[in-house]
Amino acid sequence: SQTIHQWPATLVQPVGSPLSLECTVEGTSNPNLYWYRQAAGRGLQLLFYSVGIGQISSEVPQNLSASRPQDRQFILSSKKLLLSDSGFYLCAWSPTGGEAFFGQGTRLTVV
Amino acid sequence: GIQVEQSPPDLILQEGANSTLRCNFSDSVNNLQWFHQNPWGQLINLFYIPSGTKQNGRLSATTVATERYSLLYISSSQTTDSGVYFCAPREYSTLTFGKGTMLLVSP
Repeated sequence: SQTIHQWPATLVQPVGSPLSLECTVEGTSNPNLYWYRQAAGRGLQLLFYSVGIGQISSEVPQNLSASRPQDRQFILSSKKLLLSDSGFYLCAWSPTGGEAFFGQGTRLTVV
Repeated sequence: GIQVEQSPPDLILQEGANSTLRCNFSDSVNNLQWFHQNPWGQLINLFYIPSGTKQNGRLSATTVATERYSLLYISSSQTTDSGVYFCAPREYSTLTFGKGTMLLVSP
């Protein structure tokens, strides 16, 4: 069966520091991969999605970037964190056009 | 992009009560999912329902794609049903989330 791993679970980082969040999927090939962010107020906002290695689509211009160096690995990065980058970051995968499944999330606090 | 509206935004129930959550969306969609976000933030898949009706225990969902809405029914609610319920229609490659319905079930 397929599983999705996301780490770390919580992270406290100073303003101006770099960020790297990693997400990996097991048990499937060529998944669609997604990064979402949930700020206070409940809604989930799509940040990036990828339909294949090296193919990244950005939904919201911001201080973050994403990369997909391997088929089942998706990385969210920032060179310099801002206070506004605080939030709950969720990685997800789906087969093309199919049901999406989410990781357990990373709670990021920028101080 | 597609617009998603969920109602009600907040709901308080006593244990044992039934409820209906609604999701309206603005455009044609390929499919739709319902999720429950637990107190730890994890998104639990409830239904993958592009159209028709599905049931899973005390929960059921109906999507009427031609009229652009979906309903989630919770019967005989329990305290463990508390949390935020999201619908997320899929348009092409991505899911768009509504703002959710926050449900509190009191004993």
